[in-house]
Amino acid sequence: AIQMTQSPSSLSASVGDRVTITCRASQGIRNDLGWYQQKPGKAPKVLIYSASSLQSGVPSRFSGSGSGTDFTLTISSLQPEDFATYYCLQDYDPPFTFGPGTKVDIK
Amino acid sequence: EVQLLESGEGLVQPGGSLRLSCAASGFSFSSYAMSWVRQAPGKGLEWVSGISGSDYSTKYADSVKGRFTISRDNPKNTLFLQMNSLRAEDTAIYYCARHSGDTIYYGTDYWGQGTLVTVSS
Repeated sequence: AIQMTQSPSSLSASVGDRVTITCRASQGIRNDLGWYQQKPGKAPKVLIYSASSLQSGVPSRFSGSGSGTDFTLTISSLQPEDFATYYCLQDYDPPFTFGPGTKVDIK
Repeated sequence: EVQLLESGEGLVQPGGSLRLSCAASGFSFSSYAMSWVRQAPGKGLEWVSGISGSDYSTKYADSVKGRFTISRDNPKNTLFLQMNSLRAEDTAIYYCARHSGDTIYYGTDYWGQGTLVTVSS
């Protein structure tokens, strides 16, 4: 199975900060990667699909980039509602695999 | 409005069985692939299984292969997960998720709120 890693595992940031989370696949996955946001006690929410396409209804401060093995999720200006855990998911080759998550909390 | 409602929550002993359901509404169910994703308490997300919309092809995580069976009833707009030989490590919230196309190779776009499975003696 393809292994996914994420860095950092957690970060502390302030409202208005630019935040970058990276995800790396153990082998090339083209652009078959999604980014998900999860808040405590809630279901995950899709932010980005196909590495860089913004899901309908998601604010434009979220963006994704990358292809092959290295991917990035960027939040251009962190808002109070963005404090959450973020996961990447490869949907290139089943079994699909998630990264371990990055927790973003308030500095 | 797309809605996914999981059911089948329960406490089961190790070695036991449980069947989860996911009732879908607000879209043409047979046109979309579906998956199950789980989350153990305090842990990350794990993709469990997926099924295509029309040809019913299925895929599984290695951790559940041979024990879990995903299926769907398109006329009844319902997704299922039959879980047998349950283990303590299967304890988790189970989410159903819709893919944005007929195969699981499309990303997911809608998720249910989840149903809790607890495996304990």
